[in-house]
Formats: sequence, C-alpha cells, structure tokens
Amino acid sequence: GPKVLQIPSHQIIDMGQMVTLNCDPVSNHLYFYWYKQILGQQMEFLVNFYNGKVMEKSKLFKDQFSVERPDGSYFTLKIQPTALEDSAVYFCASSLDSGYEQYFGPGTRLTVL
Amino acid sequence: GDKVKQSPSALSLQEGTNSALRCNFSIAATTVQWFLQNPRGSLINLFYLVPGTKENGRLKSAFDSKESYSTLHIRDAQLEDSGTYFCAAENTNTGKLTFGDGTVLTVKP
Repeated sequence: GPKVLQIPSHQIIDMGQMVTLNCDPVSNHLYFYWYKQILGQQMEFLVNFYNGKVMEKSKLFKDQFSVERPDGSYFTLKIQPTALEDSAVYFCASSLDSGYEQYFGPGTRLTVL
Repeated sequence: GDKVKQSPSALSLQEGTNSALRCNFSIAATTVQWFLQNPRGSLINLFYLVPGTKENGRLKSAFDSKESYSTLHIRDAQLEDSGTYFCAAENTNTGKLTFGDGTVLTVKP
C-alpha cells in the first residue's frame, strides 16, 4: 500500500533542546497528521494540516509544538523546547482528503533525557 | 479512551480458532479504520469502513453507524496475527481519528 516515511527512526535529546521530526507523506495526499503514542498505549491525535494551515489541534499540542510543510518538502513537527513528558513515539499520517483512509509512517521514537 | 471503547483488552487464541473484536463509539463516527500494530510498532492498515461490511482473506469487519459499533472477525487465527489491534473513528470534517485503547491478541500454537 501507500508508504509514509519518517526520519529519524530514533532521536535522543536533552531536555530543553529543540527537535524536528520529519515526515514524507504519500505523494498525492493533501491532509497530514501527527499522533503521539506513549509506551505502546493509546494513540492520541495531536494535529492535522491542510493547505499550509493547522485545521485542528488537541490539548496535547502544546505551545512549544509547531508544524509546517515548506514548499512541498517534508511535513515537520518541531518541539522547542522539549520536556521529559514529550518522550513518546510520534506517528505521521497522510490521507488523500479529509475523511479518507489514513496511512501511517513507522514512527519516530523520541527520548528526552 | 472513553469515546472509543474496545473489547476485550486482551485475548489469547489457539492457532486455527476464530474470534471477534469490538469497538463501541460514544461519538458519531462517520468512518472507521482498523489497524494491527506489529511487535516492531508499525501500524498496518486492515480496513477502512463507511457503514457496511468488508472482507479480506481471514478478516472481516463491519461498521454500524446507527448502533455506533464496529467489529473485526478473525477466522482461522495464525501466529502472525499476534499484535495489538486498534480501531479508530473519524467524526469531524478535519479527518481527526480517535483511537480505542487496543486489543492485545496472542495466538498460541
């Protein structure tokens, strides 16, 4: 099926540093998402993004979080500064349009020390 | 989560047997997706459903929007079916998926 890629697969950083997680969505998809999963538990929606704008964000999407997709390149999630509770696996997803099937990347495991 | 309730939370099956997983929604779901998260952590798409049923090999899924539930039936369970099964419902026009807590399935020889 369609592939979503995520770079890096693992990232270890010190608390307070900035981190950028990169997602390469399916080529013709227009909607992009970030989800957060802690310790293999429930997957939580963070944010979705369409036409250069955030469409909806959850309470987990703190002020320190931002997303962008400059000029059709990677769809990125930036956390600045990071906190210990940001340690989790972050999954990127994309869909052709709102309400269409979402395809997920393999996740980036972020560890904040 | 409270909005999407999955049952059972864990299940152990003998190879070759059948079972069913269920999701109940307290939100007005318009579409449902089922995923298998394998031991490596990757999410595998199993089904994308509007109200109705779909079948793929040994798997069959149904989504009833009026009664607010979805089911995933596994026939002739195999060892490679082991993992965590998630259902997720979409109920906004922005595509946001709300996930259940997952069912941990273990298939034993």
